Amino acid sequence: EAQVTQNPRYLITVTGKKLTVTCSQNMNHEYMSWYRQDPGLGLRQIYYSMNVEVTDKGDVPEGYKVSRKEKRNFPLILESPSPNQTSLYFCASSSRQSYTEAFFGQGTRLTVV
Amino acid sequence: SQQGEEDPQALSIQEGENATMNCSYKTSINNLQWYRQNSGRGLVHLILIRSNEREKHSGRLRVTLDTSKKSSSLLITASRAADTASYFCAGSGSARQLTFGSGTQLTVLP
Repeated sequence: EAQVTQNPRYLITVTGKKLTVTCSQNMNHEYMSWYRQDPGLGLRQIYYSMNVEVTDKGDVPEGYKVSRKEKRNFPLILESPSPNQTSLYFCASSSRQSYTEAFFGQGTRLTVV
Repeated sequence: SQQGEEDPQALSIQEGENATMNCSYKTSINNLQWYRQNSGRGLVHLILIRSNEREKHSGRLRVTLDTSKKSSSLLITASRAADTASYFCAGSGSARQLTFGSGTQLTVLP
């Protein structure tokens, strides 16, 4: 089954404690992205990757890092989480052409206290 | 920056009625896509309309695109309670993949 898998689904952490949210897709997609969703703001892109070892900033990259060492994986790293990073996070992937649909993971609800 | 802005922000209708949601976007696009999100879940792709298309149908969905006005509309006909969800438009431009609006919350009352 074609899918994007995020882990964990829920996470509560403390300010400053490094964390990683994993994302994996099994569709051999070139494009992968991370979004955060906050009430009233819709989805905002954090980082995206056009292929292995190619990443770029989205609209709200501050406080986040990503890596793309393998085609299927695109982890999101918060080196020093802060309460304003409390949000619902989504990973998405799509094929080479940006003219096609994106497939989304089920989301990671992160709370930073 | 948000590519799409949906209107209205919230819409409540009776089962069987049609639901229309509008989207305006800011910059040039290759295509415009509509997604559905059930509460707190991942987004699911509904329909894609390319910049050289004006109208597209898929089941009970009808999408229009007016590139001169930078706007699109999503019509859901004969709505059902199961259509209750948030609906997002997203513009696909250069290499930035999709840029989403803030969504329309649709409630279909049984």
